Amino acid sequence: DQQVKQNSPSLSVQEGRISILNCDYTNSMFDYFLWYKKYPAEGPTFLISISSIKDKNEDGRFTVFLNKSAKHLSLHIVPSQPGDSAVYFCAASGIYNQGGKLIFGQGTELSVKP
Amino acid sequence: NAGVTQTPKFQVLKTGQSMTLQCAQDMNHNSMYWYRQDPGMGLRLIYYSASEGTTDKGEVPNGYNVSRLNKREFSLRLESAAPSQTSVYFCASSEVAATYGYTFGSGTRLTVV
Repeated sequence: DQQVKQNSPSLSVQEGRISILNCDYTNSMFDYFLWYKKYPAEGPTFLISISSIKDKNEDGRFTVFLNKSAKHLSLHIVPSQPGDSAVYFCAASGIYNQGGKLIFGQGTELSVKP
Repeated sequence: NAGVTQTPKFQVLKTGQSMTLQCAQDMNHNSMYWYRQDPGMGLRLIYYSASEGTTDKGEVPNGYNVSRLNKREFSLRLESAAPSQTSVYFCASSEVAATYGYTFGSGTRLTVV
């Protein structure tokens, strides 16, 4: 069963507008959530994270929102830039998970058009 | 700063052949991981090593073995490759707590024909 789900395989937005990427999870024991960005032929790179004790975390143009009651998180990119075009993975972890292993979603491919 | 280094970058195998994917990190991380990426499936954990001397199965361990050779190196072995193992393989490392995030290698693209 997929514990972390990204239901939109792709998203296309215009440069300068907001990009909103969504992620749902099913395991209520998850208490840390991360977003990774992946360019073709490269490994994923860490983008932003949020602890379950918060509902928002901001880093420059990137903001992650967490709604624990809905088991939903979203990544907002404002303003979107062509260089943001990539695949975005959300990931979740339970702090007491042995090895701190992350469970990833399927990914959403973002395309930002000039 | 090399980070996480994976070799080889590309490989084509015939069904039934064996091979080992190599991974090394220079960040003194305790934990290391092997993931595979398939279209529509995201990143799925194959095996991980929470610390030197320990290894554990992830979501999709069948057909694979691993060795944590020392703190730096974590290898993934396919004993008898199958077409279903055609994928992109990523190695990653982290501090013990996942809150610090993982550092990924650039991946190995494996095709089994």
